[in-house]
Amino acid sequence: EVQLLESGGGLVQPGESLRVSCAASGFTFSNYAMTWVRQAPGKGLEWVSVISGGGGSTHYADSVKGRFTISRDDSKNTLYLQMNNLRAEDTAVYYCAKAVFHWNDGVVDPWGQGTLVTVSS
Amino acid sequence: DIQMTQSPSSVSASVGDRVTITCRASQSIRSWSAWYQQKPGKAPKLLIYATSSLLSGVPSRFSGSGSGTEFTLTINSLQPEDFATYYCQQANSFPHTFGQGTKVEIK
Repeated sequence: EVQLLESGGGLVQPGESLRVSCAASGFTFSNYAMTWVRQAPGKGLEWVSVISGGGGSTHYADSVKGRFTISRDDSKNTLYLQMNNLRAEDTAVYYCAKAVFHWNDGVVDPWGQGTLVTVSS
Repeated sequence: DIQMTQSPSSVSASVGDRVTITCRASQSIRSWSAWYQQKPGKAPKLLIYATSSLLSGVPSRFSGSGSGTEFTLTINSLQPEDFATYYCQQANSFPHTFGQGTKVEIK
């Protein structure tokens, strides 16, 4: 069974940094692209970033480009999102999700349970 | 970036009704639309990919159609467990944007 478990969320002040992680199991992690999606409280889903299987290619939403970095450690079956210069509008539940297919990075399932990041002074 | 505009933003329906949700892309996404279901406090779940393909295990009362810029999710014979929020997504080009969501509520 595929399982994704996010961790590392918490309360930080504006301008600070935080790294969230996603531990994967139940599949050959290195073979699949992985995506981060966030959801602000009471709001809809916002696509954040994707990294290809093997990590050779990454893409970001304009709202986080230059501040967030997605990475993966295939030896640890773990996905990361390094978030720098955090803003109040980055407050959200951050979900990691697995690409369903090798041939399309965008369709994702399953998702983890999410980790809450709160940016507030 | 491609914008995905969903309508309606909410719909009230009864068990047994048919519900249709529409998503319009700001430019062609070919057949690369997907639909997700999210229940309160839970992570989203994929229902449909590539416009009309049902993920294994998804009930056949869910169906998808469309191409280019107009896509539709239809739920036939709405069941109590279907009351949730539904999101479309385009998986044609980065960023893989979502629609703003449609909440299906009990009438």
